[in-house]
Amino acid sequence: EADIYQTPRYLVIGTGKKITLECSQTMGHDKMYWYQQDPGMELHLIHYSYGVNSTEKGDLSSESTVSRIRTEHFPLTLESARPSHTSQYLCASSDLGRANYGYTFGSGTRLTVV
Amino acid sequence: EDQVTQSPEALRLQEGESSSLNCSYTVSGLRGLFWYRQDPGKGPEFLFTLYSAGEEKEKERLKATLTKKESFLHITAPKPEDSATYLCAVQPGRGYQKVTFGTGTKLQVIP
Repeated sequence: EADIYQTPRYLVIGTGKKITLECSQTMGHDKMYWYQQDPGMELHLIHYSYGVNSTEKGDLSSESTVSRIRTEHFPLTLESARPSHTSQYLCASSDLGRANYGYTFGSGTRLTVV
Repeated sequence: EDQVTQSPEALRLQEGESSSLNCSYTVSGLRGLFWYRQDPGKGPEFLFTLYSAGEEKEKERLKATLTKKESFLHITAPKPEDSATYLCAVQPGRGYQKVTFGTGTKLQVIP
């Protein structure tokens, strides 16, 4: 059973549309992350958060934005989707006090922009 | 800049045929090296954390080892259900502790 939930699992959307990818976790973890993963490629960090009202950009340039109003919720928004945004988006969380215990990942959202 | 290189990119084994996956890394003061398993269409699943050279961790048919430059994931007598992509990642001891992932080794175990 998953402790971190991502919806939708699959999304096909037209260019220019605004979309929000949802991520929720039930473990009370402080830190949450959004990664982008293309087939055969490494995971790239696009956003992270240390806690409520804390958000930072990762290493990969991204046109997306995130918010952290509640500990358990970390949605990612694309204001205007483009074909270059087609990818798998993975949400993860970790316990700030147990950072070396690895991340818990969701199942991902596979986004296709046509 | 931290780097993680995994080899081979893909590995095909017969059921019961033991082998090892390699993860070579460079990092500014290693805080932790992680191994994950990723099944198709799913997010990575945490397996192990290794902290210092000489450390070993085991879980069922998997054993992870660590040196100052690389880590190995040994798979003993693998079964078809071990088929997955195995990811290695490192976390530095400084900065905001960004984790750098490798591209993974895709393992296929044939019955």
